[in-house]
Amino acid sequence: GQQLNQSPQSMFIQEGEDVSMNCTSSSIFNTWLWYKQDPGEGPVLLIALYKAGELTSNGRLTAQFGITRKDSFLNISASIPSDVGIYFCAGQSNTGGFKTIFGAGTRLFVKA
Amino acid sequence: DTEVTQTPKHLVMGMTNKKSLKCEQHMGHRAMYWYKQKAKKPPELMFVYSYEKLSINESVPSRFSPECPNSSLLNLHLHALQPEDSALYLCASSQPTSGRAKSLFFGPGTRLTVL
Repeated sequence: GQQLNQSPQSMFIQEGEDVSMNCTSSSIFNTWLWYKQDPGEGPVLLIALYKAGELTSNGRLTAQFGITRKDSFLNISASIPSDVGIYFCAGQSNTGGFKTIFGAGTRLFVKA
Repeated sequence: DTEVTQTPKHLVMGMTNKKSLKCEQHMGHRAMYWYKQKAKKPPELMFVYSYEKLSINESVPSRFSPECPNSSLLNLHLHALQPEDSALYLCASSQPTSGRAKSLFFGPGTRLTVL
């Protein structure tokens, strides 16, 4: 079945640093979604991407839908302590119906 | 209103109990989902309702029984659960477009512990 490879698994950074994480797949997706999840809470949608090559920003967050439609990245600029959490990428394909494929997550730790 | 609400926030139940999880959304979405999430893992799809009809059942054991009373409400009835069913149960909704999910909006989850 379809799988997403998300990397890195975890990141330990200093406050103020920029962060980059990405997801790759062997198959094509038509929608890429990026979520952040805090402990004990549900995932919160950060950015949704619907078009190959699309670059979208949400405050300090920027995400891109890869041209090949098989990858996406998320950048966080000038990290702050509240950026701590787990970030999930998720992809949807035209043939997947209502199924959304999730990456394994990137755990971000920010040191003040 | 861009919120999905879930009750209860926490639930502890014995293996012989019957309980229900509830989910509500007022975004006018016509697709609603139940996901199960274990610690440090991504959410796993359990059920999908589209236009109040069960569209997907991911081979979930019959001790989990979903119900969609109307377009805003989604329930998950629990009976005779096992300790390994302890997890965070997430409800989500989306606006189905051409039979696809588009952006999923999650609720805060119910932390279930089965003793």
